[in-house]
Amino acid sequence: QSALTQPASVSGSPGQSITISCTGTSSDVGGYNYVSWYQQHPGKAPKLMIYDVRNRPSGVSNRFSGSKSGNMASLTISGLQAEDEADYYCSSYTSSNTYAFGTGTKVTVL
Amino acid sequence: EVQLVESGGGLVQPGGSLRLSCAASGFTFGIYAMSWVRQAPGKGLEWVSATSGGGGNTYYADSVTGRFTISRDNSKNTVYLQLNSLRADDTAVYYCARPSGVTAIFRFAFDIWGQGTMVTVSS
Repeated sequence: QSALTQPASVSGSPGQSITISCTGTSSDVGGYNYVSWYQQHPGKAPKLMIYDVRNRPSGVSNRFSGSKSGNMASLTISGLQAEDEADYYCSSYTSSNTYAFGTGTKVTVL
Repeated sequence: EVQLVESGGGLVQPGGSLRLSCAASGFTFGIYAMSWVRQAPGKGLEWVSATSGGGGNTYYADSVTGRFTISRDNSKNTVYLQLNSLRADDTAVYYCARPSGVTAIFRFAFDIWGQGTMVTVSS
């Protein structure tokens, strides 16, 4: 059971857009449209930001959007704000009947 | 208010055991699968285990198979994680998490998380 691959860090200035990638295999990300994204601030529990590749839960800003192409999913944050500074994790259902999480990406707002 | 509250964490010696509890409130507990997810200090999230709504089906990550056991008591709205043969690399915050839907165990993302309980394995 391998973790999905994410860049360790991504940064951007306020107002800019950034994109975080999440690379898996055909047994997880590429095989199912069950990719989700979580935001985690230090010392806090994760918060669901995107589910089923591109859907936002109620209350999540429309500045957050998701997509997928082949074995790679992406989370884009547009109009970057200071409050977006956090760790972000992707997750996917896998063919082994498990969940896989990504390695995590630290987003820094410059 | 929909809520999950974990308890039972603490300091335990290598080879020891611990039982974690997660008390749920604010939703119909028995129709939801439940999972445990852990996070080692400074590390990422790792799914650990899941149980079906009725408790009859259980699933584990390879890293804990044979050592951890998930169970639930729907009359008490509580899910448990029994941790045996603990190792230093089991040191982590353990979260319980509820998926957003009920029709399949792994179909849904986790929309409700507890605050976590810390397990430290050290001599």
